Amino acid sequence: GENVGLHLPTLSVQEGDNSIINCAYSNSASDYFIWYKQESGKGPQFIIDIRSNMDKRQGQRVTVLLNKTVKHLSLQIAATQPGDSAVYFCAETRRPLSGYSTLTFGKGTMLLVSP
Amino acid sequence: DAGVIQSPRHEVTEMGQEVTLRCKPISGHDYLFWYRQTMMRGLELLIYFNNNVPIDDSGMPEDRFSAKMPNASFSTLKIQPSEPRDSAVYFCASSSHTRGGRSSLGANVLTFGAGSRLTVL
Repeated sequence: GENVGLHLPTLSVQEGDNSIINCAYSNSASDYFIWYKQESGKGPQFIIDIRSNMDKRQGQRVTVLLNKTVKHLSLQIAATQPGDSAVYFCAETRRPLSGYSTLTFGKGTMLLVSP
Repeated sequence: DAGVIQSPRHEVTEMGQEVTLRCKPISGHDYLFWYRQTMMRGLELLIYFNNNVPIDDSGMPEDRFSAKMPNASFSTLKIQPSEPRDSAVYFCASSSHTRGGRSSLGANVLTFGAGSRLTVL
């Protein structure tokens, strides 16, 4: 089948630990980035976003860090809970002055949280 | 709001059959997107509409795929004839430039439906 030999990168943590999920993006011209969370059987859900003129942005229990020099994003989840178990995707785009620009999604990382 | 509604949630069909997937976007959203998700290729944008008009269909794999948006509250993605390699989860998403669904950075955020899992035997 199409899944043979292909597995998502997986991060396994214990409940209460801090989790760090990494993403390398491809387009140096991208200026807007989003993290999405996808639980089993559901569609991706927005978590947090960041613009290229920022290095860091914090939400509730989540922090996104952006390193434009090496084209790297990370999502930090504090005090990880079993409900955080999901696949996490980063997405990038370059926003035009007018109109709409579409998102390019990364392949995703699976986060498994053990009680 | 009930969110983006997709149907069917699961579809199993035989090669050669026609498949129609349906989507109801969030009321008031002016953008609608169709994505396909597979393990091999991840999330791929197939086509998107703005105010019911197709804007970019460059992601549509081939002529067997077609999408329509006859009004602001309904869109279909059709595959005819279907092939086993079309097996995937198909997501519909909507967003608005002018109404709700914005992040605190002011950017419009995609809201995804729960997806339609298609298996072509």
